[in-house]
Amino acid sequence: DGGITQSPKYLFRKEGQNVTLSCEQNLNHDAMYWYRQDPGQGLRLIYYSQIVNDFQKGDIAEGYSVSREKKESFPLTVTSAQKNPTAFYLCASSILGPRNTEAFFGQGTRLTVV
Amino acid sequence: SQQGEEDPQALSIQEGENATMNCSYKTSINNLQWYRQNSGRGLVHLILIRSNEREKHSGRLRVTLDTSKKSSSLLITASRAADTASYFCATAPYGNNRLAFGKGNQVVVIP
Repeated sequence: DGGITQSPKYLFRKEGQNVTLSCEQNLNHDAMYWYRQDPGQGLRLIYYSQIVNDFQKGDIAEGYSVSREKKESFPLTVTSAQKNPTAFYLCASSILGPRNTEAFFGQGTRLTVV
Repeated sequence: SQQGEEDPQALSIQEGENATMNCSYKTSINNLQWYRQNSGRGLVHLILIRSNEREKHSGRLRVTLDTSKKSSSLLITASRAADTASYFCATAPYGNNRLAFGKGNQVVVIP
């Protein structure tokens, strides 16, 4: 089935550790995105990529890093520089074109600092 | 920066009633989209309305867009308990696919 898959569903991080969240899509979408969701704050864009080996910072990129080595994959690393990483992380993808289209979302990864 | 911003309210209604929620934004847009999120899950696209459209229907959903007021509304008619979720609007600017999401409206439909 076509779709976008995030793993793991739950992730626990110790203080000072880096962790990587996985996002894979088989929709043949060029664009991929990472959002952070906190209670009462909606979704905030962390990073996005429109083509392999290229990505741009979103509104809250500090403390995060990404890579786009394959069209299907867009992993997000939460580094130790991110001081408040506990949140729900959502990955999305969409096609590119002159007329914006809908985004398809994964089921999310809930990251907790312990 | 957030562009789409819903009226930050939690809406509680009886099954069968209509639910209306609003969204305002600040800059020019290519289109506006509404998404639904069940608790702890990803977002699901509901409907997209382009900047040159004023109203759009999809099943029990009706979306309006007023570009002069930079606002949109989502109406869910004949609500069902399964409509209980958070609803987000998202705006898409011209030239890129960077969707900007609002804070969401939580809707609870009581059976």
